[in-house]
Amino acid sequence: AQTVTQSQPEMSVQEAETVTLSCTYDTSESDYYLFWYKQPPSRQMILVIRQEAYKQQNATENRFSVNFQKAAKSFSLKISDSQLGDAAMYFCAYRGNSGNTPLVFGKGTRLSVIA
Amino acid sequence: GAGVSQSPSNKVTEKGKDVELRCDPISGHTALYWYRQSLGQGLEFLIYFQGNSAPDKSGLPSDRFSAERTGGSVSTLTIQRTQQEDSAVYLCASRRTVNQPQHFGDGTRLSIL
Repeated sequence: AQTVTQSQPEMSVQEAETVTLSCTYDTSESDYYLFWYKQPPSRQMILVIRQEAYKQQNATENRFSVNFQKAAKSFSLKISDSQLGDAAMYFCAYRGNSGNTPLVFGKGTRLSVIA
Repeated sequence: GAGVSQSPSNKVTEKGKDVELRCDPISGHTALYWYRQSLGQGLEFLIYFQGNSAPDKSGLPSDRFSAERTGGSVSTLTIQRTQQEDSAVYLCASRRTVNQPQHFGDGTRLSIL
């Protein structure tokens, strides 16, 4: 079974600074998808960024980028120019490539942004 | 609405009672998922529906949990004889195709007294 590990329960960053959230996963599959979701206090899970495992190029979405290391099974999220609105829980998630397999989530990292 | 809609937003009930949670997915999304998020934990898969296929119930924690999806759209998650450990946020997600990401609702916070 696939597992996702987020080793940082809490992180903090100064406004305008850069922070990196860590995620590792375990799988025997060669083709899969990885995601970072943001969950603010409103509870809604908001997709931040996703990466297809067959793509070597790291995904980027504005201030958000990932460092995808397939051999190391690592998928970290970098947030640049942090803003107060970035404060939330961040979840790393894995999904296999076969059919409609559900997402497997890590336990999350709570990010605080300090003004 | 354009997003996944869940109701109620919050539900408080006494231990032993049955509860029903509703999810209205995005129109046209054929796949629907239920997840549970216990305090301080990530999301735990419960069940998913794909079109008219038999649902994947592999994540349901006990036979007190069941779900149905009528007409390929709205889904109801039912928990019978609720226990305190059922207290959690129950999130629903839907997806149009295999290659598209899941879109989540705001969840139902269930509290069992």
